[in-house]
Amino acid sequence: RKEVEQDPGPFNVPEGATVAFNCTYSNSASQSFFWYRQDCRKEPKLLMSVYSSGNEDGRFTAQLNRASQYISLLIRDSKLSDSATYLCVVTLEYGNKLVFGAGTILRVKS
Amino acid sequence: DTEVTQTPKHLVMGMTNKKSLKCEQHMGHRAMYWYKQKAKKPPELMFVYSYEKLSINESVPSRFSPECPNSSLLNLHLHALQPEDSALYLCASSLSTGVHEQYFGPGTRLTVT
Repeated sequence: RKEVEQDPGPFNVPEGATVAFNCTYSNSASQSFFWYRQDCRKEPKLLMSVYSSGNEDGRFTAQLNRASQYISLLIRDSKLSDSATYLCVVTLEYGNKLVFGAGTILRVKS
Repeated sequence: DTEVTQTPKHLVMGMTNKKSLKCEQHMGHRAMYWYKQKAKKPPELMFVYSYEKLSINESVPSRFSPECPNSSLLNLHLHALQPEDSALYLCASSLSTGVHEQYFGPGTRLTVT
């Protein structure tokens, strides 16, 4: 079983749509959780950290369910500029290692 | 400022060459990382430095040799690489290891001929 699994995608959505990505992780000892976005041929950029209480940053909302080992990202009012690969990331080994999911491609179309 | 810089941006090298990749950050971060990313795959961790000491080596072949001369700099020395080593090499840094976010540099796109 992969350590971090994500929805396969790609997600093709119109501008203004709401889209949700899901991610599960296998190691219950994972401590920290993040969503990164990566544009084509660019480096991953931190989108947001994910907390048990849930957190929101503008149009983006992230949720963590430790009991189910499940992480989600909700994007509201999608923009063309949201088109990217979204990477679910967890830490292992007391936070020394980041483990990335395979990523989900989002394409927002006008 | 969350900037990590990497040089060169692109590198083409033969299998008998020796080259080095460089990474620099001035955010006062004490943990630095090397990742390798192949096309359409997520980044894979190679090395972790914490307070200038190597703390994790993910069983990387010895033709890759990391070096951390000081808390702001991280190098990756390359020697006798294989064509399958062609990839995007990403450097990242974080405040320390643990729960802190990592910030990535733009990467060096390496082609081994």
